[in-house]
Amino acid sequence: GQNIDQPTEMTATEGAIVQINCTYQTSGFNGLFWYQQHAGEAPTFLSYNVLDGLEEKGRFSSFLSRSKGYSYLLLKELQMKDSASYLCAPPRSQGNLIFGKGTKLSVKP
Amino acid sequence: GAVVSQHPSWVICKSGTSVKIECRSLDFQATTMFWYRQFPKQSLMLMATSNEGSKATYEQGVEKDKFLINHASLTLSTLTVTSAHPEDSSFYICSARTGEAYEQYFGPGTRLTVT
Repeated sequence: GQNIDQPTEMTATEGAIVQINCTYQTSGFNGLFWYQQHAGEAPTFLSYNVLDGLEEKGRFSSFLSRSKGYSYLLLKELQMKDSASYLCAPPRSQGNLIFGKGTKLSVKP
Repeated sequence: GAVVSQHPSWVICKSGTSVKIECRSLDFQATTMFWYRQFPKQSLMLMATSNEGSKATYEQGVEKDKFLINHASLTLSTLTVTSAHPEDSSFYICSARTGEAYEQYFGPGTRLTVT
């Protein structure tokens, strides 16, 4: 089975940096995805980590530690449009994703 | 690249009728497609995994006779909600992956309202 733990909600200020943590337990490891989902919309792909370490992609970076079952998404220079839910999802061996409730981020001016 | 479309984007139907939702991969061949459902303020729930040319694998608790999934080609999967009831009203989202890669591309979703 899979267990995913993320904070339910976070609030941050425009222009700031925010880190969204995710701990997970999986039966077998196939990488870890981060998705962004705006209210009423489908998720959009942010990152996919397979190896330990930090991967940077513009304002968004994702970190993975396989031994600790831990990942985080780092958002820099926050913008109002970054207000959304952020979902971490480790794929099962069949390739399907099981999502937790995600972290709802609110960016304030 | 890697665009997935869904049709319709929203649909309203009467209780007891059936509704078909299409999911298409527009610029790649999708060996596997997934169907999710999301109720308001809830997480995405995986309903079934569909491989081209074979029967779909349903998650526990999802009625396969009510949610018919067909993946007849490498670019098209359909979900038919049979004998729809108001409690089936939800946001249905498909995703697709190609080959051995784990990355999934999501469609824009279909909002179903059953009256």
